[in-house]
Amino acid sequence: DAGITQSPRYKITETGRQVTLMCHQTWSHSYMFWYRQDLGHGLRLIYYSAAADITDKGEVPDGYVVSRSKTENFPLTLESATRSQTSVYFCASRTLDTEAFFGQGTRLTVV
Amino acid sequence: QKEVEQNSGPLSVPEGAIASLNCTYSDRGSQSFFWYRQYSGKSPELIMSIYSNGDKEDGRFTAQLNKASQYVSLLIRDSQPSDSATYLCAVLLSGSARQLTFGSGTQLTVLP
Repeated sequence: DAGITQSPRYKITETGRQVTLMCHQTWSHSYMFWYRQDLGHGLRLIYYSAAADITDKGEVPDGYVVSRSKTENFPLTLESATRSQTSVYFCASRTLDTEAFFGQGTRLTVV
Repeated sequence: QKEVEQNSGPLSVPEGAIASLNCTYSDRGSQSFFWYRQYSGKSPELIMSIYSNGDKEDGRFTAQLNKASQYVSLLIRDSQPSDSATYLCAVLLSGSARQLTFGSGTQLTVLP
């Protein structure tokens, strides 16, 4: 199916564990993004990528790692999960100056 | 100062009324502006984009842009209970990063 998909949709993990959230898009959009959404903060940018092998930090990058070896995939890794990383994570993609399209979101709970 | 600010709400309007949502931004070089709607538990979906000063209408929705005042607004005419959602203003920042930055959102409730 065309579009942007995230997996898993829900994840519970323990403090200190590594967890990876997956994002896959079928449009060949050059730009991909990871946002987290918390009550009262709206959507905050974690990392973004302008193309394969090009990534850069957003507003709240600490504790996260990204990679982009292929245009269509943009995984987000929490190296050592903390309770403050409990959030809803959204992946998005777009071309240069167009609107962004969002995945369904991943609800992550760190216990 | 946040790069994109919205009137935080929540905002309640009666069914059939006009809902007015406002947004200001700090980056004078920004050229692309978007309104997203987000239902509870769902992902944001685009409802309007605007790139030039003035008004842009799409059905019951009108986006207004004033670059001199760095102000974007969304009007929803004949509001329906199904319009109840959080509305997010997004601005594509200038510069090489091309980051899409969001306001914190305005929660709208349309009362039957």
